[in-house]
Amino acid sequence: GAVVSQHPSRVICKSGTSVKIECRSLDFQATTMFWYRQFPKQSLMLMATSNEGSKATYEQGVEKDKFLINHASLTLSTLTVTSAHPEDSSFYICSAKEGEDGYTFGSGTRLTVV
Amino acid sequence: AQRVTQPEKLLSVFKGAPVELKCNYSYSGSPELFWYVQYSRQRLQLLLRHISRESIKGFTADLNKGETSFHLKKPFAQEEDSAMYYCALSGLGNEKLTFGTGTRLTIIP
Repeated sequence: GAVVSQHPSRVICKSGTSVKIECRSLDFQATTMFWYRQFPKQSLMLMATSNEGSKATYEQGVEKDKFLINHASLTLSTLTVTSAHPEDSSFYICSAKEGEDGYTFGSGTRLTVV
Repeated sequence: AQRVTQPEKLLSVFKGAPVELKCNYSYSGSPELFWYVQYSRQRLQLLLRHISRESIKGFTADLNKGETSFHLKKPFAQEEDSAMYYCALSGLGNEKLTFGTGTRLTIIP
């Protein structure tokens, strides 16, 4: 089945620095990928839809200048958390849809900003 | 707007007993409904979707458009069913997936 690889799985960074998270579709091409954020014991909240070759579509309330998304190829989307602050600490998950097979999720990235 | 409601945050069921996890949705168009499961320390994975009408790991779910529900059921719970379950919805022509808040199912041995 379709596999989405997400790296890193965990990252700790200092406040004010930037962190890049990668999401790769390993055995299929994904023109669209999705980035979610999950707070402890809460549901996944869609942050943005990443479109290959064009600008990402952000959900209401998500700062596009803070959460930079790049989808430069059909197998890679990246999320960069810029000037990270402790309140950005969270679990970030990407997903992609392969044809009619539904959505496949990455294993997530736990970001801790200290 | 798309909305998914899972009224139960926690559900405990004895092994061998029937399980029902509730899911209601709100969507003005034709919805596509999913159930995702997240086992401990694992990624979210698809359990089933309404259009395939499959039974996965003994679970079934029927889309009831009249009641706008997509409840997940299993006649006899097993210990390995303990996990977090999320109901999700996407709309026809709209790839955005909206999740419910999830139900943590615990099977009591």
